[in-house]
Amino acid sequence: DAGVTQSPTHLIKTRGQQVTLRCSPKSGHDTVSWYQQALGQGPQFIFQYYEEEERQRGNFPDRFSGHQFPNYSSELNVNALLLGDSALYLCASSLGQARSGNTIYFGEGSWLTVV
Amino acid sequence: AQSVTQLGSHVSVSEGALVLLRCNYSSSVPPYLFWYVQYPNQGLQLLLKYTTGATLVKGINGFEAEFKKSETSFHLTKPSAHMSDAAEYFCAVSGPGGYQKVTFGTGTKLQVIP
Repeated sequence: DAGVTQSPTHLIKTRGQQVTLRCSPKSGHDTVSWYQQALGQGPQFIFQYYEEEERQRGNFPDRFSGHQFPNYSSELNVNALLLGDSALYLCASSLGQARSGNTIYFGEGSWLTVV
Repeated sequence: AQSVTQLGSHVSVSEGALVLLRCNYSSSVPPYLFWYVQYPNQGLQLLLKYTTGATLVKGINGFEAEFKKSETSFHLTKPSAHMSDAAEYFCAVSGPGGYQKVTFGTGTKLQVIP
């Protein structure tokens, strides 16, 4: 049973560029959330997708956008990259967004470096 | 808004000694509480969680945590540290109902000294 898979694992971008990160949830999961983890910090909630709609959003600018596909996979897009966007981006999946307390499974993350 | 505070960004223990990682939460509603572990260059793995019911929660790898409402605490313990326990540990909170949003603490790095 595959867990949460993310791609790419590492990437380097230049300031002002755009990046797309991809996530496949754990088999059977229908809810995907994205988190940003800066070096030495705890993960910060970006947004959550369920039924192909953004359901909740953290304190992140509109440069951060996402999408969920019918097969529940998801993309995180970041436009106009800033140096401060350098971080580990974690995708998490769970079953049934309406029931808090469900176990959330995390992927290994995508390391983004902005130069 | 919900939040968690982890006391001590770094904790060192000797192999075989008690591990105690502290977490206090703030929530206006009954919280769901979690402990996650992160090994270097890896994602987060759930150690244990408290939702409702028994306040002493047992997790994987010999860890346990006790929900104490009166102290708003959810400290993580393990009776005997092993070298493989060296990692970063995150306490997290989410609320009941609605859409899940998990708020993490800033993490505690555990060093195990042989």
